[in-house]
Amino acid sequence: AIQLTQSPSSLSASVGDRVTITCRASQGISSSLAWYQQKPGNAPNLLIYGASSLESGVPSRFSGSGSGTDFTLTISSLQPEDFATYYCQQFNSYPLTFGGGTKVEIK
Amino acid sequence: QVQLVQSGAEVKKHGASVKVSCKASGHTFTSYYFHWVRQAPGQGLEWMGKINPTGTSTTYAQKFQGRVTMTRDTSTSTVYMDLSSLRSEDTAFYYCVRETEPYSSSSRLGYWGQGTLVTVSS
Repeated sequence: AIQLTQSPSSLSASVGDRVTITCRASQGISSSLAWYQQKPGNAPNLLIYGASSLESGVPSRFSGSGSGTDFTLTISSLQPEDFATYYCQQFNSYPLTFGGGTKVEIK
Repeated sequence: QVQLVQSGAEVKKHGASVKVSCKASGHTFTSYYFHWVRQAPGQGLEWMGKINPTGTSTTYAQKFQGRVTMTRDTSTSTVYMDLSSLRSEDTAFYYCVRETEPYSSSSRLGYWGQGTLVTVSS
């Protein structure tokens, strides 16, 4: 199975900060990567698909980039509602796998 | 709008089985793949498997092969996940997930149920 390693596992940031989360795959997955946001008590919400395509309704401050083995999720200006845990997920091959998550907390 | 409403929380004994249901509405049920993803309390996400739009084909994660069965009932627009030989490590929230795009299995997991907590006690 393809392993996804996210870093950092947690971070503290302030409203308005630029935040970058990375996801590294154990082997090349082309652009077959998605990002999800999960808030406590809720199901995950799809933010980005295909490494860089923003899902409908997702604010433009979220962006994704990368291909092969290295990917990033960037929040250009952190908003209060963005404090959550973020997961990457690969869909290059089965089983689908997720990264361990990055918790974004308020500084 | 798309809605996925899952069955309520379950408490099961070690070795028992559980069947979680997910009733879908707001879309053409027979056009979409459904997946099941679980999450132990405070932990990350784990993909369990998927079922095709007609219910004739399933793909399971090897970890769950032999213990999981995914089915769907077109007459009630409901998908089911049956997990047997439960152990304490199976205590988790179980989510049904519908793909965003119809007909193809793109694994674009756009719509999630509210989750069902399954607790396994010894």
